[in-house]
Amino acid sequence: GENVEQHPSTLSVQEGDSAVIKCTYSDSASNYFPWYKQELGKRPQLIIDIRSNVGEKKDQRIAVTLNKTAKHFSLHITETQPEDSAVYFCAASTDSGYALNFGKGTSLLVTP
Amino acid sequence: TAGITQAPTSQILAAGRSMTLRCTQDMRHNAMYWYRQDLGLGLRLIHYSNTAGTTGKGEVPDGYSVSRANTDDFPLTLASAVPSQTSVYFCASSEAGKLYEQYFGPGTRLTVT
Repeated sequence: GENVEQHPSTLSVQEGDSAVIKCTYSDSASNYFPWYKQELGKRPQLIIDIRSNVGEKKDQRIAVTLNKTAKHFSLHITETQPEDSAVYFCAASTDSGYALNFGKGTSLLVTP
Repeated sequence: TAGITQAPTSQILAAGRSMTLRCTQDMRHNAMYWYRQDLGLGLRLIHYSNTAGTTGKGEVPDGYSVSRANTDDFPLTLASAVPSQTSVYFCASSEAGKLYEQYFGPGTRLTVT
């Protein structure tokens, strides 16, 4: 089955700096790569996703990149703000799959 | 609309007792899921249901059962709780064909003593 690995497990940046979280996957059939954000004590929420036919996608300060050949994808947050502090999960799935395969999460702390 | 709700919010349960965690969604989503979240282990799928009347096992199904009698409800039952089932449980749902876009409930914090 699919194995999604996520790095780093914790990340601390200063406000205004950029943050990058990286994930790798094992199943070459995976073609959906969503990212979820979970604030402390809250539920996970989808913030952005990328499909396998796209190399990069941006939404304001957030961007995701995908390298299908290397089987890795990344989340980039620019001009970080304290409210970006949360746990971020990457995931991968296929068209025929029944579940998302989540990475173990990255705890991002943005310090003022 | 309420979206997706879970009950109870938290519970302390004695080992050996049974309990049902409730999950209800009003978005008419076909697919529903149960995850457990443990520190350092991320979100692990327990059971899922692609549509009413069908269920399937996820990554960590042992000790749990589910049913899907209708579209809206997807209860999770622990028949005989053990301390290792102490966790935060999240229910989620998604539209058919949109597995990647899951909507999560607020979670149930369960402590088994």
